[in-house]
Amino acid sequence: SQQGEEDPQALSIQEGENATMNCSYKTSINNLQWYRQNSGRGLVHLILIRSNEREKHSGRLRVTLDTSKKSSSLLITASRAADTASYFCATGGSSNTGKLIFGQGTTLQVKP
Amino acid sequence: AAGVIQSPRHLIKEKRETATLKCYPIPRHDTVYWYQQGPGQDPQFLISFYEKMQSDKGSIPDRFSAQQFSDYHSELNMSSLELGDSALYFCASSLQGPANYGYTFGSGTRLTVV
Repeated sequence: SQQGEEDPQALSIQEGENATMNCSYKTSINNLQWYRQNSGRGLVHLILIRSNEREKHSGRLRVTLDTSKKSSSLLITASRAADTASYFCATGGSSNTGKLIFGQGTTLQVKP
Repeated sequence: AAGVIQSPRHLIKEKRETATLKCYPIPRHDTVYWYQQGPGQDPQFLISFYEKMQSDKGSIPDRFSAQQFSDYHSELNMSSLELGDSALYFCASSLQGPANYGYTFGSGTRLTVV
């Protein structure tokens, strides 16, 4: 990966449980974004957190950002079978050209 | 709401052939990005355009070229195709400026080189 690691690479949980995915990055960033991808489909933007923010919520999603550790986490609460997908973090660099550098992704399986 | 439109959705080409992928950004978006995602891989940035000029370049092979036209649509031209070019190719669009919002991706073009 150009950017870093996502942890875990694969996660399997039961419906109703919480899922936590972690992402580490290497360079200084302007923002960090999380995307979801169903198998072989397009990337769907979930949430963006700016470098001066520490936590952000959107529905059942909670994202944290620790710029000192160059890491972020995505928490999905009360998971549903429909949350089964791959989740990628992507960083927008400080150069502000807008390109995104993606992590390797976490494959989440939520069992009904 | 209009999304990013990519065409074709699927494309099968033989080795050494040429392929052209098209991307139509969201209306009023002035920036287009191209990404390549191999099987089981994370998306890799290829190239971007802002106001019809190349704004950034990533790991794009010399066999590939791209441009953004006056109507802001973009085309990715791929020549001398190799088996390793088989991948999902995504286009995303955004408004340039401080990156305070996420990007909208198209559904992608799945290119298979045989």
